Amino acid sequence: QKEVEQDPGPLSVPEGAIVSLNCTYSNSAFQYFMWYRQYSRKGPELLMYTYSSGNKEDGRFTAQVDKSSKYISLFIRDSQPSDSATYLCARESYIPTFGRGTSLIVHP
Amino acid sequence: GEEVAQTPKHLVRGEGQKAKLYCAPIKGHSYVFWYQQVLKNEFKFLISFQNENVFDETGMPKERFSAKCLPNSPCSLEIQATKLEDSAVYFCASSQSVQGNTGELFFGEGSRLTVL
Repeated sequence: QKEVEQDPGPLSVPEGAIVSLNCTYSNSAFQYFMWYRQYSRKGPELLMYTYSSGNKEDGRFTAQVDKSSKYISLFIRDSQPSDSATYLCARESYIPTFGRGTSLIVHP
Repeated sequence: GEEVAQTPKHLVRGEGQKAKLYCAPIKGHSYVFWYQQVLKNEFKFLISFQNENVFDETGMPKERFSAKCLPNSPCSLEIQATKLEDSAVYFCASSQSVQGNTGELFFGEGSRLTVL
């Protein structure tokens, strides 16, 4: 079983929608998670960093970890066309491991 | 520098030829990682360095792949006798540490290798 799994999508939403992106992870001992955003033909960049369980909010973005179900979510409010990218969840460790990413398309 | 610089951006090789990719990490970052991304699929870890020492190489196909990080030189990833399945984007990333908030990876833009 992969350490972190994501549905690759694509997920297509209209501008202004609330977007929910999800990952599952395999080991309940994992504590630190990250969300990276990757625009086409670019390297990923860190969007949010979360620890264990609970919510973390940054502007239009909220990251949530549900430890009991081993579920990681990223919510984007008031989505914009500029949010169109691939979103990768990652487990932080000595070797950060990534999900395969979910492609998000926000159309005007 | 302030960003991870990877060269070349694109590289085309015939099957069996050698390919060499370079990465200059952010100044002050001790850790360098190489990942392979095939056809926008998941990132496959290859190797990591702590300064010039191999930190973890569990992902490296040792048969044809080698990597180095020497002092005062860009890090390099070399593939001897390339195969079609080596066609991918190779990302280099650097970080200050490997845990906690300072474990954020800063990625370069990648080097796209096409093997014909």
